[in-house]
Amino acid sequence: SQQGEEDPQALSIQEGENATMNCSYKTSINNLQWYRQNSGRGLVHLILIRSNEREKHSGRLRVTLDTSKKSSSLLITASRAADTASYFCATDGGGGFKTIFGAGTRLFVKA
Amino acid sequence: DAMVIQNPRYQVTQFGKPVTLSCSQTLNHNVMYWYQQKSSQAPKLLFHYYDKDFNNEADTPDNFQSRRPNTSFCFLDIRSPGLGDAAMYLCATSSSTSGDYEQYFGPGTRLTVT
Repeated sequence: SQQGEEDPQALSIQEGENATMNCSYKTSINNLQWYRQNSGRGLVHLILIRSNEREKHSGRLRVTLDTSKKSSSLLITASRAADTASYFCATDGGGGFKTIFGAGTRLFVKA
Repeated sequence: DAMVIQNPRYQVTQFGKPVTLSCSQTLNHNVMYWYQQKSSQAPKLLFHYYDKDFNNEADTPDNFQSRRPNTSFCFLDIRSPGLGDAAMYLCATSSSTSGDYEQYFGPGTRLTVT
């Protein structure tokens, strides 16, 4: 079974609003990553947070990690129509180079 | 720009007719991956190369094979495609030197089986 489970499965918001996506995982990790996938395209790496970090920022992205709860969240502030995509969390399962993807959250930002 | 390239972007093959998908990279990464992604699902790892070492996932069907003739190129061979193999196939790379194994993906090849 997949390492990560994401919540919600789909999210529809207005442009300018914030979007929050959550990810839970099952085993210990060294790091957790978030990727974006536009429809019919490859995945693009957004941000990586290590197991000893609790929060990380990159532009309009904010990622938190709670290793005690085995969960992470991705916040996109001031969303834009161009943020419409699927977002996946991915963990290394504590093992390094193999990445296990969650089921993803489909975000739709209405202009 | 350093990148991961997949060819072709769209591939149509007949049921049972062998097909090869290709991936090349200019990142000089030592790890390469092949994923299968079906509609609205997460990418599923089929196998990966760590340098020249091939690592097959336990649930990857024998119908799927891979070759990595050099650092830059990797191929996915589907020996006898079935209708259930229709999917997006994603190639990705990462570098063990970074320690974090951030993956860089190609644009994918969408395979249709008729």
